Amino acid sequence: NAGVMQNPRHLVRRRGQEARLRCSPVKGHSHVYWYRQLPEEGLKFMVYLQKENIIDESGMPKERFSAEFPKEGPSILRIQQVVRGDSAAYFCASSPEGTGSPLHFGNGTRLTVT
Amino acid sequence: AQSVTQPDIHITVSEGASLELRCNYSYGATPYLFWYVQSPGQGLQLLLKYFSGDTLVQGIKGFEAEFKRSQSSFNLRKPSVHWSDAAEYFCAVNIRKSSGDKLTFGTGTRLAVRP
Repeated sequence: NAGVMQNPRHLVRRRGQEARLRCSPVKGHSHVYWYRQLPEEGLKFMVYLQKENIIDESGMPKERFSAEFPKEGPSILRIQQVVRGDSAAYFCASSPEGTGSPLHFGNGTRLTVT
Repeated sequence: AQSVTQPDIHITVSEGASLELRCNYSYGATPYLFWYVQSPGQGLQLLLKYFSGDTLVQGIKGFEAEFKRSQSSFNLRKPSVHWSDAAEYFCAVNIRKSSGDKLTFGTGTRLAVRP
């Protein structure tokens, strides 16, 4: 079984461009979480989604950041008009519905803003 | 709000030595507790978890952790460290809510292993 797949692994954007990060959860998992990891810091929760619904976006910056998890296809984290401070590793995790199982993490997308 | 503290940022041990990584949490009730390991450039891999029951939990790769309610701690241990254990270790707390599971992570402890 494939685990959580994130692409691209590395993404370079110039300031002002848009970044789109994709996450395909483990097959059968309907809960997706996005976390951001800054250098020398732990992972910070950003957003929690179920299919077609945002459940908790308390960790998302109010501007420029958005996330979706459509009925078909991967979850997308979108960052508009990127700035240098957005440079980080972004991790996606998934879990089965309502089981309380530990999260399964992808290998992350490392975003560099030049 | 819940929080997780990992007081040791870096730890270096000799191969074959024992290891203990500290983790303290702040929460009014007993949370679900996890330890994850992250190798460079990789995602997080679950080492072990505590939900309830026996306070000493066994994980993969020879790791174990002990939940101590009185100390609000969940320290990770390994009796004999291998060079391949060099990585970053994260303690995490999960406050289950009806709307889903959201992990709060500590800032991590980076483990170096001397040959």
